Parts: sequence; C-alpha cells; structure tokens
Amino acid sequence: DAGVTQSPTHLIKTRGQQVTLRCSPKSGHDTVSWYQQALGQGPQFIFQYYEEEERQRGNFPDRFSGHQFPNYSSELNVNALLLGDSALYLCASSLGGRHEQYFGPGTRLTVT
Amino acid sequence: GQQLNQSPQSMFIQEGEDVSMNCTSSSIFNTWLWYKQDPGEGPVLLIALYKAGELTSNGRLTAQFGITRKDSFLNISASIPSDVGIYFCAGPGGSQGNLIFGKGTKLSVKP
Repeated sequence: DAGVTQSPTHLIKTRGQQVTLRCSPKSGHDTVSWYQQALGQGPQFIFQYYEEEERQRGNFPDRFSGHQFPNYSSELNVNALLLGDSALYLCASSLGGRHEQYFGPGTRLTVT
Repeated sequence: GQQLNQSPQSMFIQEGEDVSMNCTSSSIFNTWLWYKQDPGEGPVLLIALYKAGELTSNGRLTAQFGITRKDSFLNISASIPSDVGIYFCAGPGGSQGNLIFGKGTKLSVKP
C-alpha cells in the first residue's frame, strides 16, 4: 500500500522564479492538502483540494496556487518566489472530509 | 484565530524514562491528532482522538482528549532512543478537515 509521495525532494530556485511541486496521495484517498513548514515551526495550512477543486484555503497569497487531477494527484505552484518562501512543503492526503491526514516526506525548497 | 500551545517546548529523556507532554487550544476541538516528525521527514500520525475524555493507546504511547475539549495529553512510557524527534499536536482549523498545528515538543536524548 503506497503512502503519500512527493517530488522533487529538494529544489533550489532564484528569487522571482516559479516552482511546481507534485504529490501523489495514499492509495484510496481523494483529498490532498498542502502545508508549508518553516524551520522550527509546525506546518501551516496552504489549501486543500477535493474533486479537483480548491475546497479551503489558508492565509497565503495568490502567488500560491494548485491543481488536482482526476487521479487525485496534485500540484502546488508558487510564482514570483521570495526568500521567505524557503521552507519544507508538505503534502497530506485524506479520505473525504476526515481530519486524519497522512503526510508525504516533503519537498525542501530553497530560494536564493 | 485558533492557536495551539504545546509544552514543554523541549525535553531531554533517558532511556527507560516516561515522558509527558500536553497541548492546549484557545477554542474547543472535536478532534485531536498527535504526530511525530523525524528530521528531514514528514509528520507521521500516531494517535487520533474524537471524544472528550477518550484515552487511546498505540504501543507505548497513550493520548487523552481533555474533558474541557481544549486540551490533550501524550504520554510515552519506557522511552527508547528512537522516540527522539518532534511531537506535534493538531486539531481542525475548519469544517472541511484542514489542520492547525502546535509548534511542537522536541524530544532529545540526555547527554
């Protein structure tokens, strides 16, 4: 039973560039949530996708956007990267509206 | 907005010791989740709690849903070196399942 997978594992980008991160949910899950985790902090909710639509959004600017595909996998896009976007980006999957979320290993984004 | 406060922020353990940590919320929760995160990894779900007063175990880990519904506790009995890591509590941030997290309790081995 495959767990949540994310790619790439690490990424280095320059300020102003754009980045796309990818996530495949745990088998049987239909909901994907994205979180940003700064060093020494707990994960912060970015948004959640269900049935290919953004169902809920946290306090993040429009530079952060996403997509969910028919196979439930998801992408997180960040435009006009800022130094402060450097963080671990975590994808979590769940079934429907259940609160138990299962996390992937994350993508470490460094913006220089 | 909702906030979760975890204490202690960090603690040192010696193998065999019991460990206790807690999490308090500024508002009532109907679900509490406990996660553990190792360096460079994503959080791993340890225990989920759904009812006030509920006590749930997962091996040497036991978590309780506080009766006020504004707090939760996690205990680790007879700690071992692989218990080292950061423990997060989490609760619902909205109706559709997004989570808010505390800042974590970091468990390290006593030198």
